[in-house]
Amino acid sequence: EAGVAQSPRYKIIEKRQSVAFWCNPISGHATLYWYQQILGQGPKLLIQFQNNGVVDDSQLPKDRFSAERLKGVDSTLKIQPAKLEDSAVYLCASSPTGTSGGLQFFGPGTRLTVL
Amino acid sequence: GDSVTQMEGPVTLSEEAFLTINCTYTATGYPSLFWYVQYPGEGLQLLLKATKADDKGSNKGFEATYRKETTSFHLEKGSVQVSDSAVYFCALSTNAGGTSYGKLTFGQGTILTVHP
Repeated sequence: EAGVAQSPRYKIIEKRQSVAFWCNPISGHATLYWYQQILGQGPKLLIQFQNNGVVDDSQLPKDRFSAERLKGVDSTLKIQPAKLEDSAVYLCASSPTGTSGGLQFFGPGTRLTVL
Repeated sequence: GDSVTQMEGPVTLSEEAFLTINCTYTATGYPSLFWYVQYPGEGLQLLLKATKADDKGSNKGFEATYRKETTSFHLEKGSVQVSDSAVYFCALSTNAGGTSYGKLTFGQGTILTVHP
C-alpha cells in the first residue's frame, strides 16, 4: 500500500513570496490533515478535511494560509505572502473513515525555509 | 485547551540501557493517548496507543500505561538498541462532539540517541 505522498520535499523562498505544497493521501482515506512543525516543537494542526469539506481550520492563519481539497482526494496548502516565522516542516496526514481517533498516517513532510 | 508535556531532552543512552520518556497531559473529557516516532529521514509513524484508563499499549519492546490519576503516559523500554535512535512524540486525541474527530495534540518531542 502506497503511503502519503508530499511534494516538494524542500523549498526555499524569500519573505513575501508565495509557495504551495501538495499532498496525496493514502487511497480511500477520507480524512486529511495539514500540520505545521516548527523546529524543536511538536506538530500543530492547521486544517482538517473530511472528504472535501473543512472540519477544523481554527488554527489556520487565514490572512495568509489557504488550503483546498477539491475532489476529496489530494490537497494543496498555500502561503501567500510568506513570513520568516513560516519556516517549518509542513506535514500531511490521512486516516480512514471511522478509525479510532488519533491513528493517522503521515507523509515525509515539506521543509520550508523563508529567508 | 488540550496540551501535552514531555520531559526535557535530548536523551542519550548506551545500548541495552533502560529507557523512560515522561509524558503528562491536560485534556477535557477522556482522551486517547499515543506515542508517535520519527526515525531519521522518515515520516511520523504510530508506535503505540491506549484508549482508556489503565490500558497498556505496547509495540517493538516499548510500552506505556494510561494513568488517569496522574494524567501520564510514560514511554518505557527495557533494553534500547542503536536502531531506536529517533524523535519520540507523545500525543492525545479527543472527540469533542464529533467535530475535529481524530485531531492530534502533540508534545514537543524527545530526541533519543543510543550509542553502541
